[in-house]
Amino acid sequence: KAGVTQTPRYLIKTRGQQVTLSCSPISGHRSVSWYQQTPGQGLQFLFEYFSETQRNKGNFPGRFSGRQFSNSRSEMNVSTLELGDSALYLCASSLVGQGNEKLFFGSGTQLSVL
Amino acid sequence: ILNVEQSPQSLHVQEGDSTNFTCSFPSSNFYALHWYRWETAKSPEALFVMTLNGDEKKKGRISATLNTKEGYSYLYIKGSQPEDSATYLCAFGHSSGNTPLVFGKGTRLSVIA
Repeated sequence: KAGVTQTPRYLIKTRGQQVTLSCSPISGHRSVSWYQQTPGQGLQFLFEYFSETQRNKGNFPGRFSGRQFSNSRSEMNVSTLELGDSALYLCASSLVGQGNEKLFFGSGTQLSVL
Repeated sequence: ILNVEQSPQSLHVQEGDSTNFTCSFPSSNFYALHWYRWETAKSPEALFVMTLNGDEKKKGRISATLNTKEGYSYLYIKGSQPEDSATYLCAFGHSSGNTPLVFGKGTRLSVIA
């Protein structure tokens, strides 16, 4: 069974640009969550999608958005990039997103904003 | 804002030592407590998900306990090996279970051969 796949693995952008990150969950998993990891911080929750609907959203500005497709693949978009957006972005999938389900994480996308 | 605290922040132990670390979480509206191991250059990997007060889980040399009434969980590693070197994350699931997990900042373990 293939794991969670995130692309691209690394990304370098400049301030003001926008970026789109992709996440393909494990087959059969319908919930996809996105997290931001910066040095010294824990995983910060961005949003969760289930059956193409955003079910939960973290405390991030509107520049951060996402969507989920009918095959459960998810994308997140960051517009008007700022230096502080430099981080590792992880996605995780689970069957239906219940709090007692293990999360399966991708390898992440390391975003550097110059 | 829910707060999940992990201690210590980092830990260096000798190969063969046993060690443990703590995860503190809110004692109200508990739903689940997760532990993940995150090795450098890899993805976080689930170790345990615990849902009941008094739960104890074991996987090889690693075990975890849960006290939901006082809001803490311990992770134990017996006879640490260099391959145990990783960051250990705990995550708290609350309320109905459909709300997102809240992660602690992790405990970074280094096992010296």
